[in-house]
Amino acid sequence: DAKTTQPPSMDCAEGRAANLPCNHSTISGNEYVYWYRQIHSQGPQYIIHGLKNNETNEMASLIITEDRKSSTLILPHATLRDTAVYYCIVRVGSVDGGSQGNLIFGKGTKLSVKP
Amino acid sequence: DTGVSQDPRHKITKRGQNVTFRCDPISEHNRLYWYRQTLGQGPEFLTYFQNEAQLEKSRLLSDRFSAERPKGSFSTLEIQRTEQGDSAMYLCASSLDPSRETQYFGPGTRLLVL
Repeated sequence: DAKTTQPPSMDCAEGRAANLPCNHSTISGNEYVYWYRQIHSQGPQYIIHGLKNNETNEMASLIITEDRKSSTLILPHATLRDTAVYYCIVRVGSVDGGSQGNLIFGKGTKLSVKP
Repeated sequence: DTGVSQDPRHKITKRGQNVTFRCDPISEHNRLYWYRQTLGQGPEFLTYFQNEAQLEKSRLLSDRFSAERPKGSFSTLEIQRTEQGDSAMYLCASSLDPSRETQYFGPGTRLLVL
């Protein structure tokens, strides 16, 4: 079973920031938080991941709470092409040992960006 | 385009027929994963390879399913005696191990069993 809880859907106005929450209250100390998204009829696409520090890349920012029990993915200026299902996943990193590598997806959050 | 390709993109078959799907990962990636996704659900893990070795199989992978990666490059997933419940999107992903965690997914093969 997925170890995360996400709202089933969210709307966002084009050009505004999209803030997607994820609860992972049972996360272990060696588990990372990953975000993927899936645009309709395509395979999932990696967005970002982090352990405990906030992370930013060209696609998004990831804010992880100090207790690591929840996180927020931020798309700073959402566009219509960001309409997709966003998946929050927690897993052990293989560098830390023990990871089989497979991702466990929940149902994700369907983000609709509206003009 | 992530660099992972899958063939065919769509397959319609009749119940009881065998089907085979192919996945070509990014060339230097030594891990290859297969997932299945049904409508409205997230992808579910089926199996994965490190080079040519199949290291894990999900309980979802019944004995009608078989996967191979004979030379550690491309992989095939075969379903024998297809059932209507096999209708799904079959996704392939690849990654570098152990230093890189990102999985790159292909576009998927959509299977419809009539």
